[in-house]
Amino acid sequence: AQSVTQPDIHITVSEGASLELRCNYSYGATPYLFWYVQSPGQGLQLLLKYFSGDTLVQGIKGFEAEFKRSQSSFNLRKPSVHWSDAAEYFCAVGEKGGSEKLVFGKGTKLTVNP
Amino acid sequence: GAVVSQHPSWVICKSGTSVKIECRSLDFQATTMFWYRQFPKQSLMLMATSNEGSKATYEQGVEKDKFLINHASLTLSTLTVTSAHPEDSSFYICSAPTGTYEQFFGPGTRLTVL
Repeated sequence: AQSVTQPDIHITVSEGASLELRCNYSYGATPYLFWYVQSPGQGLQLLLKYFSGDTLVQGIKGFEAEFKRSQSSFNLRKPSVHWSDAAEYFCAVGEKGGSEKLVFGKGTKLTVNP
Repeated sequence: GAVVSQHPSWVICKSGTSVKIECRSLDFQATTMFWYRQFPKQSLMLMATSNEGSKATYEQGVEKDKFLINHASLTLSTLTVTSAHPEDSSFYICSAPTGTYEQFFGPGTRLTVL
């Protein structure tokens, strides 16, 4: 079965600092990979996705993520964090050729200090 | 991007009553929708897959008689929490895939059962 691990429950960074959120997945083949962001009491917004091709994908709000097959990872990065980036971030994996169901990691809460 | 709405955004009900939550795809048709449940500070857990014109598919451990799902049209799915109890209090989120495994999420419904 697919699984997604986000090792960091909570990360605090200073505004302007760089950010990397970790995501590891377990899946037999190449999955579809997603990063979503959730503000308190809100639904999820898609930041970026990886289906195939270039392993470095660009998303909205200045985020990017790199798919590393050898490490089964899909880490999210941003070079300079803004206070408005404070939120919960979820990594998710979908099954190619499957039912379009997504499996989510437990999430990483990002706090941004001024 | 595609828009998914949910109604109501929050609801408070008495124990033993039933509550209906609507999920609508506003600018696209969705033969499939997904219902998730999210406990405070936790990840999204898939409850069921709503299928237009056929029965919903429930995940293991989800009581189908407790959480009734009806996919009435290509733009509407409803989740009815029957005989709600305080332990059903949660944040319920729906999503709809638009193809290529990308899903758009509704803003969520906060259910509080007294």
